[in-house]
Amino acid sequence: AQSVAQPEDQVNVAEGNPLTVKCTYSVSGNPYLFWYVQYPNRGLQFLLKYITGDNLVKGSYGFEAEFNKSQTSFHLKKPSALVSDSALYFCAVRDGAGGFKTIFGAGTRLFVKA
Amino acid sequence: KAGVTQTPRYLIKTRGQQVTLSCSPISGHRSVSWYQQTPGQGLQFLFEYFSETQRNKGNFPGRFSGRQFSNSRSEMNVSTLELGDSALYLCASSLFAGARTDTQYFGPGTRLTVL
Repeated sequence: AQSVAQPEDQVNVAEGNPLTVKCTYSVSGNPYLFWYVQYPNRGLQFLLKYITGDNLVKGSYGFEAEFNKSQTSFHLKKPSALVSDSALYFCAVRDGAGGFKTIFGAGTRLFVKA
Repeated sequence: KAGVTQTPRYLIKTRGQQVTLSCSPISGHRSVSWYQQTPGQGLQFLFEYFSETQRNKGNFPGRFSGRQFSNSRSEMNVSTLELGDSALYLCASSLFAGARTDTQYFGPGTRLTVL
């Protein structure tokens, strides 16, 4: 079965510093990986996805993610954090068996301090 | 293009009642999925519809059901509500079904509180 793990419940970073939110995956076959962000009382917003190709994926709002097959990781990164980046971040993997089911990690809460 | 809309945004019900939530996908999107989000269990997949057919179902009791109409709008129903059904219910739409590379776009959710 497909799964993703987000080892950190919370990440704290100062504004202007680089940020990393970690995600590891376990899949059979090719991995289809996604990052979403959720602001309070809102739905999930799509940030980026890895399908195939370049290991560095560029996404929305200046975010990018690095796919590492040997380490089965898909970490989310941003060179310079903003206070407005403070939110809940979810890593997800698509389970293609029998339909359109997305498996989400537990989420990582990012706090960016001014 | 309008995003995914969900109605109502907030609901308060009592145990034993039933509830129906509605989701209108992005225009042209044919696949609709539903997720339950709770602090304890996180985001859990409920079911997915494409062309009025349920293609996949998560591990939820039969009290949870859904359907999709010919215009791709979807509803989910929860009967005999329990306290543990209190959650944010999220709907997501995508262009096709079964395409693992497709991006799902989420609505703002319906916050259900069961008293």
